[in-house]
Amino acid sequence: NAGVTQTPKFQVLKTGQSMTLQCAQDMNHNSMYWYRQDPGMGLRLIYYSASEGTTDKGEVPNGYNVSRLNKREFSLRLESAAPSQTSVYFCASSEMGPQHFGDGTRLSIL
Amino acid sequence: SQQGEEDPQALSIQEGENATMNCSYKTSINNLQWYRQNSGRGLVHLILIRSNEREKHSGRLRVTLDTSKKSSSLLITASRAADTASYFCATDSGGSNYKLTFGKGTLLTVNP
Repeated sequence: NAGVTQTPKFQVLKTGQSMTLQCAQDMNHNSMYWYRQDPGMGLRLIYYSASEGTTDKGEVPNGYNVSRLNKREFSLRLESAAPSQTSVYFCASSEMGPQHFGDGTRLSIL
Repeated sequence: SQQGEEDPQALSIQEGENATMNCSYKTSINNLQWYRQNSGRGLVHLILIRSNEREKHSGRLRVTLDTSKKSSSLLITASRAADTASYFCATDSGGSNYKLTFGKGTLLTVNP
């Protein structure tokens, strides 16, 4: 009964490096989301996928790309990491209502 | 842009007391949800209230919604140390994507 699983849990990158954050859910949900959470802020939506095969931009998409690999998996890619992307990243899934969250990836970019 | 704004930003109470957190939002909503986040963990859904509902209960939680004032409140009765967490409200405007817009949260500390 894993729910939403995110990997890795922690990562340190250098400016300009690339990285893919992985997310998988086992609840057969159609919708999946990527958020970032910065100190003193709530969650801000980066990208979402309303259903398999579709992706759309959220509030803060610049510097990121996503792939909805299949119904279970939704990945977030940083092509050229910048210090401003230092944050905690959360993946979530839902089926018409409450969202279920993973425990996050803590990403530091030096 | 943030839709919801929680008030207060931080709240410290003693075990057994009630805790009330408020959320204000700016635009029309379809649903309003409350989430809890323990330190270092992801958010956990607590309760959802629809725009045509005024009050909802779940265990020790009571949520009210006043769409005319664009505000909601979350009451936790008989607080426990385990209730220590950040609490966020989130709104959606309807549609099939169920996108949520979160507030900045209230940090609740329940002292034993």
